[in-house]
This record gives sequence, structure tokens and C-alpha cells, in this order.
Amino acid sequence: EVQLLESGGDLVQPGGSLRLSCAASGFTFSAYAMNWVRQAPGKGLEWVSAISGNGGATYYADSVKGRFTISRDNSRNTLYLQMNSLRAEDTAVYYCSKGNIWFGEYFDYWGQGTLVTVSS
Amino acid sequence: QSALTQPASVSGSPGQSITISCTGTNSDVGAYKYVSWYQHHPGKGPKLMIYEVSNRPSGVSNRFSASKSGNTASLTISGLQAEDEADYYCTSYTSSSTLVFGGGTKLTVL
Repeated sequence: EVQLLESGGDLVQPGGSLRLSCAASGFTFSAYAMNWVRQAPGKGLEWVSAISGNGGATYYADSVKGRFTISRDNSRNTLYLQMNSLRAEDTAVYYCSKGNIWFGEYFDYWGQGTLVTVSS
Repeated sequence: QSALTQPASVSGSPGQSITISCTGTNSDVGAYKYVSWYQHHPGKGPKLMIYEVSNRPSGVSNRFSASKSGNTASLTISGLQAEDEADYYCTSYTSSSTLVFGGGTKLTVL
């Protein structure tokens, strides 16, 4: 059974940093692209970032480019999102999702999400 | 990248059919077969309902179907059931090597 478990969400001040983690199990982690998707309070889903299976290719939404960094540790079956220079508009539930071989195809499994609140 | 356009809400009675549209541009929906649909119940992770325009993953009811014409994709749910009440999102790959979601549609089963 595929499982994705996010952690690391917290309350952080504007301008601060936070690292999210997503522990994966139930599939060959290194074979699949992975994504982060977020949902701000009362808003819709927003794709944030993606990474290829071997970590060699990364992709970002314009809203986070230059501030967020996606990475993965295939030996630990774990996906990360390093978030720097956080803004109030980054407040959201962040979901980890499994892609297919190539990141642009679809997200077939999702975690339950972790809440990031950016506020002073 | 602007969000794809979906109606904010749709509703239907049990047993009826509804259709949710998802309009993009010739740089996303109109250009690629990589359009997918997700069902999202509050407090849970979203669920993949349709991938590559019209394909259903195993385990998804055949009451869910989808298609695409030009820059607009559509999701149809037939034989509406109370459990179908949720938010629905479309998404597409884009020519900028990003992914874009629709704004979401709240489905109410009357």
C-alpha cells in the first residue's frame, strides 16, 4: 500500500525558513517523480514544485521560484521542500504527491498534508 | 501561469448527471493530453479520478468520465450519489514545463 506522510509544518515568521519532509512507502520511490501541491485557506489547489525520480530535474511554480528548493533522498525514501523567505501568502496546507515516471502526467497518490502558517 | 477556469459550483440531484468544464489555452489544455481530474474532500488528500484526458484509474467508478475538445476539458459524473459531493479540480501540463490547476468546482448533491 502506497503511503505518503508529510511532516515539518509549523508557525513561522515572515522572512523565515522551514523544511518539509514526506516519508514514502509502498512503492519503488526512486522510480517516480514527486510533487508538492498546496492549498491556502479557502482557496484551491496550487502546484508548487516537482522533482524527477533520480533528482536530476526540478521544476517550480513562478510563485516560489528562487525561494523554495525541492530535493529527495532516495536512500531514505524521503522528499523534501526547503522553504526560505517565507511570506504570508505561503500559508497553506502542503501536500506531497506521487507522480508517474514523468512529473507532468498526473498525481496518483497524495498525503494528508501538513500546515504551514506564516505570521508574526 | 493563470489558473484554468472552472465553474465555482455545480449541483444535481441523486441519479442525475452533471458536467464540470475546465478551460485553458493552447499552451496547456489545448496542447497536451496531460489533463487530469481530482476529487477533494475537506481534510483529506485529493484523489485521482481521471488521467490523460479520459482514462480512469483502477478502482474509480465508471460513473466518472471525461473528454477534451480544443482548449476545454470536461468531467461528467452520471448517476450522482451523495458520496460524490466534494470539490473537483482539473490540472494540465503547460508549455512552460509547469503544472496548472483549475480554480476548483464545489459539487453539491441536493
